[in-house]
Amino acid sequence: EAGVVQSPRYKIIEKKQPVAFWCNPISGHNTLYWYRQNLGQGPELLIRYENEEAVDDSQLPKDRFSAERLKGVDSTLKIQPAELGDSAVYLCASSFSGGYQETQYFGPGTRLLVL
Amino acid sequence: ILNVEQSPQSLHVQEGDSTNFTCSFPSSNFYALHWYRWETAKSPEALFVMTLNGDEKKKGRISATLNTKEGYSYLYIKGSQPEDSATYLCALNQAGTALIFGKGTTLSVSS
Repeated sequence: EAGVVQSPRYKIIEKKQPVAFWCNPISGHNTLYWYRQNLGQGPELLIRYENEEAVDDSQLPKDRFSAERLKGVDSTLKIQPAELGDSAVYLCASSFSGGYQETQYFGPGTRLLVL
Repeated sequence: ILNVEQSPQSLHVQEGDSTNFTCSFPSSNFYALHWYRWETAKSPEALFVMTLNGDEKKKGRISATLNTKEGYSYLYIKGSQPEDSATYLCALNQAGTALIFGKGTTLSVSS
């Protein structure tokens, strides 16, 4: 069974440029998460989807970040415009139903460097 | 602000050594604790999900224990191998379904 797929794996952009990350979760998983890991920190949740609905986006900086999960499968996370502080690893994860005992399966992440 | 603490931040051991790390968390409103292993350039890999006080889980040479009353979990690696080199993350699920991660313990095993 294929795991969580993310692309691109690496991205280098200049500040003020837009950037987008794509995630394909494990087939059949209804819950999708986007996390951001800053250097030296643990991953932090940006947004959580239950099917197509964003049920927790309280930590998403909405002035520059947006996300969508059309048809409740793939998801895209966008930053526009990017700032130097956005340099981080962006992780996508999925789980079957989002229960607290359920394992969240992670993709390899996208490593973003903003110059 | 909920804080999940991991110690040590990093450690270096020789092949064959056994080692352990600590994850500390607030004991109130505990739902579940997750352990992940994250090797460089790979996806974080789920090791254990622990929910009950006194839980002990084992996967090969890796095991974990949980004490929800005092708010800590230990991860043990017996007979460390170079392939165990990774960052080990613990994450708390307190009430919702978002994981709150510690900063991780980075293990380096030399042969």
